[in-house]
Amino acid sequence: GENVEQHPSTLSVQEGDSAVIKCTYSDSASNYFPWYKQELGKGPQLIIDIRSNVGEKKDQRIAVTLNKTAKHFSLHITETQPEDSAVYFCAASMGAAGNKLTFGGGTRVLVKP
Amino acid sequence: SAVISQKPSRDICQRGTSLTIQCQVDSQVTMMFWYRQQPGQSLTLIATANQGSEATYESGFVIDKFPISRPNLTFSTLTVSNMSPEDSSIYLCSVEILSYTFGSGTRLTVV
Repeated sequence: GENVEQHPSTLSVQEGDSAVIKCTYSDSASNYFPWYKQELGKGPQLIIDIRSNVGEKKDQRIAVTLNKTAKHFSLHITETQPEDSAVYFCAASMGAAGNKLTFGGGTRVLVKP
Repeated sequence: SAVISQKPSRDICQRGTSLTIQCQVDSQVTMMFWYRQQPGQSLTLIATANQGSEATYESGFVIDKFPISRPNLTFSTLTVSNMSPEDSSIYLCSVEILSYTFGSGTRLTVV
């Protein structure tokens, strides 16, 4: 089955700096890659996703890049703010209806003011 | 995206008892997914629940421990049976409508 590795497990950045989280996946059939933000006491919230026919996607301060050949994808957060502090999860799926998500181990991001 | 209501939001239970968690979705969906998130860990899929058929369980999870009901296209329940402290986790339901949406979770503590 699919295996998703996520690095780093913790990330501390100064407010205003950029944060980068990287994930690798094992199953070349995976074609849907969402990123979730989970704040304390809440369920994961989708922040951005990318499908394998796209190399990069951007939404304001958040961007995701995908390298299908190398089977890795990354989340980039620019101009970080204290409210970006949370746990971030990457995931992979084969994208067809009903296919399960396989999650990475998570990255705890702390943005220091 | 869908709106998911999950109940209870948290509970403290005695070992050996069972807890049933409810998940209500504001849209009709074919499949509902149940995940477990152990303390400080990532999400692990327990099972996929189809309306009108038995749930499909992932490796390491069995129906006797985690029975699931799916009586209609907007509702599902997950029961955690004969609980032990190792079952202390957050349990989340999820559905897919264009993207995967999660409920706010049930934080279970077994004492």
